[in-house]
Amino acid sequence: GQNIDQPTEMTATEGAIVQINCTYQTSGFNGLFWYQQHAGEAPTFLSYNVLDGLEEKGRFSSFLSRSKGYSYLLLKELQMKDSASYLCAAMDSNYQLIWGAGTKLIIKP
Amino acid sequence: DTAVSQTPKYLVTQMGNDKSIKCEQNLGHDTMYWYKQDSKKFLKIMFSYNNKELIINETVPNRFSPKSPDKAHLNLHINSLELGDSAVYFCASSPQGRDAGELFFGEGSRLTVL
Repeated sequence: GQNIDQPTEMTATEGAIVQINCTYQTSGFNGLFWYQQHAGEAPTFLSYNVLDGLEEKGRFSSFLSRSKGYSYLLLKELQMKDSASYLCAAMDSNYQLIWGAGTKLIIKP
Repeated sequence: DTAVSQTPKYLVTQMGNDKSIKCEQNLGHDTMYWYKQDSKKFLKIMFSYNNKELIINETVPNRFSPKSPDKAHLNLHINSLELGDSAVYFCASSPQGRDAGELFFGEGSRLTVL
């Protein structure tokens, strides 16, 4: 079956770095996506990886290893506004997104 | 100038009632979706339409019926509401091809069934 695994909750300190891991199993693969969802709001797109390696976008970076079925989202210089849920989603061979349950990130001062 | 807008934002109703949620996108996307997010925060796809045609219909009770009058609109009608239907319903749209996974979500419609 198709499955996405990511930690339920993580806590980090303002100014620090945090890495949110995601492993996936899909029928075929057409890319790995990360979304951010603040409480009570809609998810918003953060990043897309389809080739192995690291994609950097400001304070956020996303990594993909297709052979390991693994991705991570790296957040640097954490700010209080980064407190949110981070959703990992993999696109299967039918171009359908398979979603993880999300990782709730709590930032402490 | 909202990209994906859905109404109403909040909906409180009694069991057994019928309700509709409307969604419109002005991004020119061909694909639109309805997602359900329950209290455990799991996003589950319900329906996907491409250019007014149904392409994904997950295991959803037939009390839920989507309607797409044109490619910019995808409405959701729910008959005989049940307590378990209480959730946040998100409409979304996306481009085709390589960027198909970049979804633009509406603000969500929080449905509470009493």
